[in-house]
This record gives sequence, structure tokens and C-alpha cells, in this order.
Amino acid sequence: QKEVEQDPGPLSVPEGAIVSLNCTYSNSAFQYFMWYRQYSRKGPELLMYTYSSGNKEDGRFTAQVDKSSKYISLFIRDSQPSDSATYLCAMTSYTGNQFYFGTGTSLTVIP
Amino acid sequence: EAGVAQSPRYKIIEKRQSVAFWCNPISGHATLYWYQQILGQGPKLLIQFQNNGVVDDSQLPKDRFSAERLKGVDSTLKIQPAKLEDSAVYLCASSRGNSMGEKLFFGSGTQLSVL
Repeated sequence: QKEVEQDPGPLSVPEGAIVSLNCTYSNSAFQYFMWYRQYSRKGPELLMYTYSSGNKEDGRFTAQVDKSSKYISLFIRDSQPSDSATYLCAMTSYTGNQFYFGTGTSLTVIP
Repeated sequence: EAGVAQSPRYKIIEKRQSVAFWCNPISGHATLYWYQQILGQGPKLLIQFQNNGVVDDSQLPKDRFSAERLKGVDSTLKIQPAKLEDSAVYLCASSRGNSMGEKLFFGSGTQLSVL
């Protein structure tokens, strides 16, 4: 079983839609959860960073962590064409500096 | 704050040739990572340095890949000889390395095409 599983997509939505991106994981030691946005031919850019369970909001983006279900989500409200990218989830444990990545979900927002 | 710098951005070589990539991490970041990202996949860790020591190189194909981080700052990753399946984006990343709520920051990557 992979440490982190992520829906690969591709996902195509109309502009203004709410987008939900998800990852599941198997290691209960993971405490820190990240979402990266990766545009074509660019390196991943840290988008959201959360600790333990709960929600974190930043503008149109909300990161949600449910540790009991080992499930994390990224919601994008009022999606824009500029949100078209691949979204990677990543996580690490409290004491480690090893990061575990999902395979990425490709998102296209159609104007 | 300057980000992670990588060069070159693109490289095209023929199989069996050698190639080297360079990385300069964010100032003060003790941990440096090299990842390989094949199209449509997540980053795969090749090697992780803490200062100038290797923490994890279990997935580095040591018969052809080598990496060093002299003086605990810049790093180079070398492939010799290259194979077709080495075509990928090579990402360098860095983190503070204090093991408490680490954040990982990436460079723009080097896109390698092996023909």
C-alpha cells in the first residue's frame, strides 16, 4: 500500500466552480499536511500548510484534514483559469523531515 | 527571501552521455533534497542531505547517479551514463532541517530529455 494516495484526475471544471481535491494516507504518524500547486514546466509551489486536524482558509483556498479518516482535502472556491495546474498533496511526521507525496491531480478550469 | 535556485532549466543529451545539475538552496536551510519527477507522477526522492551528510540515498541508482553537497550549501547531481528512462524533471528542494513542522521549498527544476 502506498503511503499517500491521490486521485490522478484529470479534472476539468467551468470557471467559477468549486473544486475538491483529495488525498488519503496510511501512516497515522503524519502530522503536517501540505498542498503544492505545480504549473506546467515549473517546480511545485507551496500553497497550503496545515498541522493536525481541522480547516485552514486562505483566500479562495481551504485545506481540510481529517486525521481520524486519514483524509485530506483542498477546496478551491470560484475557480479561475489561472488555477489550472497539477495539485500535489504532501505530508510529514512530527519528528521527521521526510516528505511523502501524492501523484498529483491535474486540474483544468475552462473559461 | 531568495528561493531555491537550479540550473540549467533544460538539458537535452543522448543516451550514454553524462549530465550535471546544480542547486543552491534557500539561505540557512540545512536540508537539501533531490527529487526525480516523471511526467504525470509525484516527486520521487533520490537523495537527502543534512548539511553535507547524506541522510537517505536508498532510491538513488548509484551505478549511474551521484550527488554531493560540499560545504553544506550548494549541491550537484550527476548522471553518467544517462539512459532513456532518466528523462524527467529533476527538482531540488530545501527545508530548515530542524525537524519541527518542516516546510519544503522547491526550485523550478531541470527538465532532462535523453534521446
